[in-house]
Parts: sequence; structure tokens; C-alpha cells
Amino acid sequence: EADIYQTPRYLVIGTGKKITLECSQTMGHDKMYWYQQDPGMELHLIHYSYGVNSTEKGDLSSESTVSRIRTEHFPLTLESARPSHTSQYLCASSERGYQETQYFGPGTRLLVL
Amino acid sequence: DQQVKQNSPSLSVQEGRISILNCDYTNSMFDYFLWYKKYPAEGPTFLISISSIKDKNEDGRFTVFLNKSAKHLSLHIVPSQPGDSAVYFCAASGFSGSRLTFGEGTQLTVNP
Repeated sequence: EADIYQTPRYLVIGTGKKITLECSQTMGHDKMYWYQQDPGMELHLIHYSYGVNSTEKGDLSSESTVSRIRTEHFPLTLESARPSHTSQYLCASSERGYQETQYFGPGTRLLVL
Repeated sequence: DQQVKQNSPSLSVQEGRISILNCDYTNSMFDYFLWYKKYPAEGPTFLISISSIKDKNEDGRFTVFLNKSAKHLSLHIVPSQPGDSAVYFCAASGFSGSRLTFGEGTQLTVNP
């Protein structure tokens, strides 16, 4: 069973606000990921990290930024939220190795008005 | 370029019967395949995986079959239960390390 947490679970916010979505895991996994998913669509990778001080952009362009200062923590920040950022944001982690399985947090549903 | 495709957006089965969810991929470099189950407003839950060196993997009611020549995998759930009603995603990794490529998902509805 994976121990990965995301807060908040739901967020309704106005345009132009700065937001930070939190993601923490207690499994000591080196690798962490952020996905974005809209209803009825596949998950799109927007950021990933293979360890502390390592971050990379994913396959889907995103205006968000991430940081990885501690192994267990991988927050995502939007400096100025817009309605186009409305989506579900999913955090995942995996061990370093070959053919790893990613384990997901419960997600954050973001609505920008 | 959709490298992982789930061509059936929805599937409806009766409780107790078999559910078969299908997934096709195009990239021959994929060597690890996973199935996830997702309820609305929750994160995906890992169900079962299979390495390309195998053609079948079982875990309780769930069995995944891999046909490498056809670039096709399927998830069998038997017997199906109403609690299995969810969106099922297949995913693949390989040439890009642990990064996963997901299909669009199939909504499974198990009717009592």
C-alpha cells in the first residue's frame, strides 16, 4: 500500500491567485511525478523529479513550476491561476530501479473562476 | 501521436460475469505494462502489471494478458463485482525509463 498524500483535495480560487499544491510521500521514493488529467482524458505528465534538486518538464507544457528540496516533498506552484488551469492534478512516486510501478496520491481538483 | 490506446470508452457487464478491457500500443520499445483503476475525484490505484518477458500475470480476480506480436494487452476481471465499476487505465513504460504513457481509459460499469 502506497503512502502518498496530496493537499488540498479540492480548491476553488479566483483568477490571478498564486497557489501551491502539496505532495508528500513517506516511502523514501527517489522519483516523483505530477500529472494533469481532465475528465475522459488520459493522464499527462507535466513534471517529474528523479531526486533532490532534480526537476524536469514532462510531455505536456504547463505554466506551473515544481521544486524538490526534500526527498519526501514535491510541491507544484502556479504563480497566477487562470480558468484554463482548471483540472485534476495527480502526484505519484516510484522507487529507483527497472520497470518501476508508480503509486498515486488522491489528487487535487482545482477550479479557477 | 497516441502510443497507448484504449478504443472502448465504456463497457457494461453483469455482476458475476467476466469483464475484458483492451489496450493497444504502437511503440515496440515498451517493455512494462500496468493497469490502474480510478474512481472519480480520486487518484489511480495500481492493480496489476506485466513485463514483456511474460504473456500472462494473475492476481486474484485480475489477470493481464500480453500479446507482443499484436502489441495488445487485456485485463480480465472475473467474477466482476459492482465495486469494480470505475475507469481503468492501461499504461506502458520502457524506452523512457520509468515514465509512463497512459491510454484514455475505459469506464467499466458492473450492473447488479
